[in-house]
Order: sequence, then structure tokens, then C-alpha cells
Amino acid sequence: EAGVVQSPRYKIIEKKQPVAFWCNPISGHNTLYWYLQNLGQGPELLIRYENEEAVDDSQLPKDRFSAERLKGVDSTLKIQPAELGDSAVYLCASSLGLRSDTQYFGPGTRLTVL
Amino acid sequence: AQSVTQLGSHVSVSEGALVLLRCNYSSSVPPYLFWYVQYPNQGLQLLLKYTTGATLVKGINGFEAEFKKSETSFHLTKPSAHMSDAAEYFCAVSVGGGADGLTFGKGTHLIIQP
Repeated sequence: EAGVVQSPRYKIIEKKQPVAFWCNPISGHNTLYWYLQNLGQGPELLIRYENEEAVDDSQLPKDRFSAERLKGVDSTLKIQPAELGDSAVYLCASSLGLRSDTQYFGPGTRLTVL
Repeated sequence: AQSVTQLGSHVSVSEGALVLLRCNYSSSVPPYLFWYVQYPNQGLQLLLKYTTGATLVKGINGFEAEFKKSETSFHLTKPSAHMSDAAEYFCAVSVGGGADGLTFGKGTHLIIQP
């Protein structure tokens, strides 16, 4: 079974440019998460989807970050415009959405903002 | 709100020695607890989790952890370290179960000395 797929794996952009990350969850997983991992830190939740609905986006900086999950499968996370402090790894995870369930993580997208 | 504290950003042990990685949590309700491992340039992989029931949890690669409510701890152990265990280890907590967003500690880098 394929795991969580993310692309691109690496992205280098100039500050003030837009950038987008794509995530394809494990088939059948209705819950999808985006986490931000700064260097030397643990991941921090940005947004959680149940199917198409964003049920927890309290930590998403809405002035520059946006996310969507059309049709309740793939998801895209966008930053516009990017700032130097956005340099980090962006992780996508998915789960079946049950209380005892496990979140499965993708390999992440490493963003460098110059 | 819940939180996780991992004692020791770096832990070094000799190959064949006991591995002990410490994790303390703060939660106002019974928590769900997780240990994840992260190898360089990879996503997070679940080692083990505590949901309910038996407080001693066995995971993959010979790791286990014990949930101690009185000490608010969930320390990770392995009787005999192997070179392949060198990685970053993250403890995480969720109050709503595995489907909710996870709150991670800052991680412990495990170094295995030959």
C-alpha cells in the first residue's frame, strides 16, 4: 500500500514569492493534517481536515497561508507571499479518523526562502 | 491545553547498552501518547502508542514504553541499542485520540557509539 505522498520534496524560492505544496493521503483516509517542522523542533499542527471540512485551523496564519482539500482527497497548502521565517519542513499526515488511530506521515517538503 | 517535555535534546549510548528516552506530558484529561522516530530527510514513523488498557506498550524494533499516570510520564526504552537506532525521537500527546492534532515534544537525538 502506498504511503502519504508529498511533492515537491525540496523547494527554494525568493522571499515574497508564492509557493504551494501538494499532498496525497493514504487511500481511504478521511482525515488529513498539515504540520510545520522548524529546524530542531517537533512538528506543529497547522490545519486538520475531516473530508473536505477544515475542522481545526486555529494555528494556520491566515494572512499568508491557505489550504484546500477539494473532493476530500488531495490537499494543497499555499503560502503567499513567503517570508524568510517560513523556511521549514512542511509535513502532511493522514489517518482513518478514529480515536485509537495512527497518523501516517509523508516525507515532507523542505522549503528554503532566500 | 496539553504539552510535552522531552528531557535531553541529545542522548548518547554505546551499542548494546540500554536506551532510555524521557517524556513527560501535561494534560487535563486522560491522554493518548505516541512515540515517533524520524530518520534524516524522512517523515515520522510510529514506534508505539498508548490509548487505553495495558500501561506497558510494546512497539516496533524492540522498543517499549510505560504509561505512568502518577508521574505523568511515558518514557521510551530498548534493552540493547543498535547502530540503526540512531535517529530523532519524538514524543507526542493528544487528548482527543489519534485523530486529533498531535502536540509534539522538541525531540531527542539518539546517538549510538560503536
